[in-house]
Amino acid sequence: IAGITQAPTSQILAAGRRMTLRCTQDMRHNAMYWYRQDLGLGLRLIHYSNTAGTTGKGEVPDGYSVSRANTDDFPLTLASAVPSQTSVYFCASSPGAGANVLTFGAGSRLTVL
Amino acid sequence: GQNIDQPTEMTATEGAIVQINCTYQTSGFNGLFWYQQHAGEAPTFLSYNVLDGLEEKGRFSSFLSRSKGYSYLLLKELQMKDSASYLCAGSDSNYQLIWGAGTKLIIKP
Repeated sequence: IAGITQAPTSQILAAGRRMTLRCTQDMRHNAMYWYRQDLGLGLRLIHYSNTAGTTGKGEVPDGYSVSRANTDDFPLTLASAVPSQTSVYFCASSPGAGANVLTFGAGSRLTVL
Repeated sequence: GQNIDQPTEMTATEGAIVQINCTYQTSGFNGLFWYQQHAGEAPTFLSYNVLDGLEEKGRFSSFLSRSKGYSYLLLKELQMKDSASYLCAGSDSNYQLIWGAGTKLIIKP
């Protein structure tokens, strides 16, 4: 089934630990995005990639890093997790970087204690 | 600054019509999106407006007024499965999406 796969679905993590959230798409979309969703707030863009080999910072990039070695994969790394990074993380993709429809993954719920 | 405003929660009755409003302020404008998100699930695309007017898709319609910075999503013949959050998002001059916090729609029998 074409779409976006995120892993893990859910994770509890001790503060200070390193964590990588995985995201893979099979739609050959050029653009990929990482958002976090917190209660009472809109989706906030963490990092994005308009095409393989390039990345950019979104609205809330501090404490997070990404890489885009190929078209399909866009992992998000928390180098040293803090409790304020407790959130639901959504990976998304679109055919291009313009005003395109986003396809979202099912989300990764992360709790940092 | 950039901002999207929409009501936090609305309640409607099965079979009725509901209108969810959204006002936006973006630096430049490249369209207005509506997404549906069921609890615990990913957002899914509903509609996109870039020109003024009404776009109709079955039971769902979306309206845009660029001069007023205003959009609404109209849901007709409400069904229980329409209980979800509805997210409004504006695309700015850099094609980045600015998201509202979402409107939780509760449908009662």
